[in-house]
Amino acid sequence: GESVGLHLPTLSVQEGDNSIINCAYSNSASDYFIWYKQESGKGPQFIIDIRSNMDKRQGQRVTVLLNKTVKHLSLQIAATQPGDSAVYFCAEISAGGTSYGKLTFGQGTILTVHP
Amino acid sequence: ETGVTQSPTHLIKTRGQQVTLRCSSQSGHNTVSWYQQALGQGPQFIFQYYREEENGRGNFPPRFSGLQFPNYSSELNVNALELDDSALYLCASSLGGALTYEQYFGPGTRLTVT
Repeated sequence: GESVGLHLPTLSVQEGDNSIINCAYSNSASDYFIWYKQESGKGPQFIIDIRSNMDKRQGQRVTVLLNKTVKHLSLQIAATQPGDSAVYFCAEISAGGTSYGKLTFGQGTILTVHP
Repeated sequence: ETGVTQSPTHLIKTRGQQVTLRCSSQSGHNTVSWYQQALGQGPQFIFQYYREEENGRGNFPPRFSGLQFPNYSSELNVNALELDDSALYLCASSLGGALTYEQYFGPGTRLTVT
């Protein structure tokens, strides 16, 4: 079945380091991939998205890379700050098939940034 | 803040009871999606409402039902509560129906079933 999963459930980094969070997906029909940040007691917050016809997209301090050959997605956070500590989820959404109109989330990676 | 509000914040119910959770979408958004998030897991899609009609449903039994009102606010109803229904229930609002990946989430309602 369709699934979006993560390689590493936890990641600890020092403030100022770059962070890389990885995600594997299985639905080759996905049209968009999205990264969400969820802080304790809050709902997921949209960070950045990428269309399936792209391989890289940059935002403010964040970059998302998409490798469709191996069905792999990554989120790179530059100069990680303590405020970046949260759970990060990748999600996918499709324009057709059984995933139509719904976000399918992975399990999440806990990012901890040490001062 | 996303402008999406949910009530109540926390709720404790007994197995077999019924519960209604509420969501007010962001101004101008006509689509509301509901998700269930078990502890340590990613959110799971329950269903979506677009212009007051159900517009897609995940793998949840019929005892999970919903409504969307003319002002686009929404309710999630769960009948015959089971212990496994204990979770964080999230609603997300967006504009434009099904393929709306920019979904803005509320803070969630934490439901505990005992």
